Amino acid sequence: SQTIHQWPATLVQPVGSPLSLECTVEGTSNPNLYWYRQAAGRGLQLLFYSVGIGQISSEVPQNLSASRPQDRQFILSSKKLLLSDSGFYLCAWNRDSDNSPLHFGNGTRLTVT
Amino acid sequence: AQTVTQSQPEMSVQEAETVTLSCTYDTSESDYYLFWYKQPPSRQMILVIRQEAYKQQNATENRFSVNFQKAAKSFSLKISDSQLGDAAMYFCAYRMVPGNQFYFGTGTSLTVIP
Repeated sequence: SQTIHQWPATLVQPVGSPLSLECTVEGTSNPNLYWYRQAAGRGLQLLFYSVGIGQISSEVPQNLSASRPQDRQFILSSKKLLLSDSGFYLCAWNRDSDNSPLHFGNGTRLTVT
Repeated sequence: AQTVTQSQPEMSVQEAETVTLSCTYDTSESDYYLFWYKQPPSRQMILVIRQEAYKQQNATENRFSVNFQKAAKSFSLKISDSQLGDAAMYFCAYRMVPGNQFYFGTGTSLTVIP
């Protein structure tokens, strides 16, 4: 069976510090990978998605970047965090087929102070 | 851009009763998929049900069913025999075909009253 791991679960970082959130998927190959941010009352906002190694699509221009150094690894980064980067970040994957739903990790709660 | 609207920020239902959560979406595409996800207090996102736009038959998963009205671009979720464990935030989501983006509504917080 497939599993998705996301860490850390909680993170408190000062403004201006760097960020690295990591996500890995096990039990499948060549998954589509996604980063979402969830802010209170605003649902889930798609940040980045990737259909393969080194292939990153950005939905929203912002202070964040994503990388996919390996087939089942997806990293969300920032060089300098802003207060507005606080939120709940979710990694997800699905198969490259039309009816495949998203499968989510447990999320990371990021607080920028 | 595709938008998904959930007009009910909060809903409540008595235990064992039935509740319907609303979702509408805006698209010019004819082929797409729709999903309902549940997010309990643990914040784990759980797939509840999915619907293919080309299928006229409404999807059903145990106590969960949908009312899919393609012409009206409406996709509501009905929960029958509500249980305390159904209390959660529910999100409606849309996926265009072909495409990899999933678009989510802002969610409906469901309270189940014992």
